[in-house]
Amino acid sequence: AQSVTQLDSQVPVFEEAPVELRCNYSSSVSVYLFWYVQYPNQGLQLLLKYLSGSTLVKGINGFEAEFNKSQTSFHLRKPSVHISDTAEYFCAVSMSSGTYKYIFGTGTRLKVLA
Amino acid sequence: EAQVTQNPRYLITVTGKKLTVTCSQNMNHEYMSWYRQDPGLGLRQIYYSMNVEVTDKGDVPEGYKVSRKEKRNFPLILESPSPNQTSLYFCASSLGTGPTYEQYFGPGTRLTVT
Repeated sequence: AQSVTQLDSQVPVFEEAPVELRCNYSSSVSVYLFWYVQYPNQGLQLLLKYLSGSTLVKGINGFEAEFNKSQTSFHLRKPSVHISDTAEYFCAVSMSSGTYKYIFGTGTRLKVLA
Repeated sequence: EAQVTQNPRYLITVTGKKLTVTCSQNMNHEYMSWYRQDPGLGLRQIYYSMNVEVTDKGDVPEGYKVSRKEKRNFPLILESPSPNQTSLYFCASSLGTGPTYEQYFGPGTRLTVT
């Protein structure tokens, strides 16, 4: 069965420091990968996605992620975070065949400290 | 403005009293879906719909019903709510039905069942 693992439930980081949010997945078929962000009291919105091609994907607000097929990972990074990046971040996968279901990770709460 | 709307945003009800949460999108999207978000569990898919009159179960469909009579609307029905359905619910839609499409989320409905 397919699954998505976000090992870090909370990540505190100081403003202007770099951050990496980890995401690993398990699937027997090819997957498409997404990162969504949820600001307080809002719905989720897309940060970036990997469909094919270059394994380094750039998204909004200075975030980027790298797809690593051998390690089945899709970690999210930002070189310098802002207070406004405080939010919950969700990694998600969809499968290339069969089901039209999406599977989300459990989320990582990023807390940016002044 | 392109958006997914949900009503109500907050709802407190009692066990067994039927309720409906409405979801509407104005983007002419084919695919619509319902999720519930619980602490430590992330988002779990309840039901999804690939087109009018076409719906299918997600990972946690028990206790829920849906219908898709019109393309823009996808209501979530709880025939006999129970306390374990207390959760934050999100409706989402996407332009196409394939796995490469990003999803657009509504603002969420916080449901409390006492």
